[in-house]
Amino acid sequence: DQQVKQNSPSLSVQEGRISILNCDYTNSMFDYFLWYKKYPAEGPTFLISISSIKDKNEDGRFTVFLNKSAKHLSLHIVPSQPGDSAVYFCAASGQTGANNLFFGTGTRLTVIP
Amino acid sequence: DGGITQSPKYLFRKEGQNVTLSCEQNLNHDAMYWYRQDPGQGLRLIYYSQIVNDFQKGDIAEGYSVSREKKESFPLTVTSAQKNPTAFYLCASSMGPGGSSPLHFGNGTRLTVT
Repeated sequence: DQQVKQNSPSLSVQEGRISILNCDYTNSMFDYFLWYKKYPAEGPTFLISISSIKDKNEDGRFTVFLNKSAKHLSLHIVPSQPGDSAVYFCAASGQTGANNLFFGTGTRLTVIP
Repeated sequence: DGGITQSPKYLFRKEGQNVTLSCEQNLNHDAMYWYRQDPGQGLRLIYYSQIVNDFQKGDIAEGYSVSREKKESFPLTVTSAQKNPTAFYLCASSMGPGGSSPLHFGNGTRLTVT
């Protein structure tokens, strides 16, 4: 059973606008959440993370929001750039670490110039 | 530059043959992992190792084997017992075992078994 869900397989956004990628999880024991970005024929690269003690973390154009009561997190990219076009994976882990890191199925973002 | 090297990028094998995928890292990371990605699915953990000469099964270890004789190397063998071996395989490493240590991934090996 998928413990981390990304219900939108794809998203298209105009350059300069905001991209919002969503992620839901079912396990209330998850306490650390990460977003990875993946270009074709490459491995995923770490983008941004958030601990469950926070509800927001910002890094440049990227902001992750965590709503623990709703078991929902989102990644905001603003302004979106064509180079942001990639597949974005949400991942969650519990106390025991990366050996129980659960990944979503990914959302393909296309930023239209 | 530090990083993770997976080789080869593409691999073709006949059904019934074992095949070994290479993964080398020069990041001095203690922990290493193997994931499998199938279309429409998230990454699933096959095996992980937190220290040399020790490794643990992940969620889908059946039909796979690993070794960790050196800190830098974590090869994965896909055996003939693996029922659906065709997939994209990703190796990763992290500084520590905690979930707060982001994974560094290689560029993957696409294995096709016919």
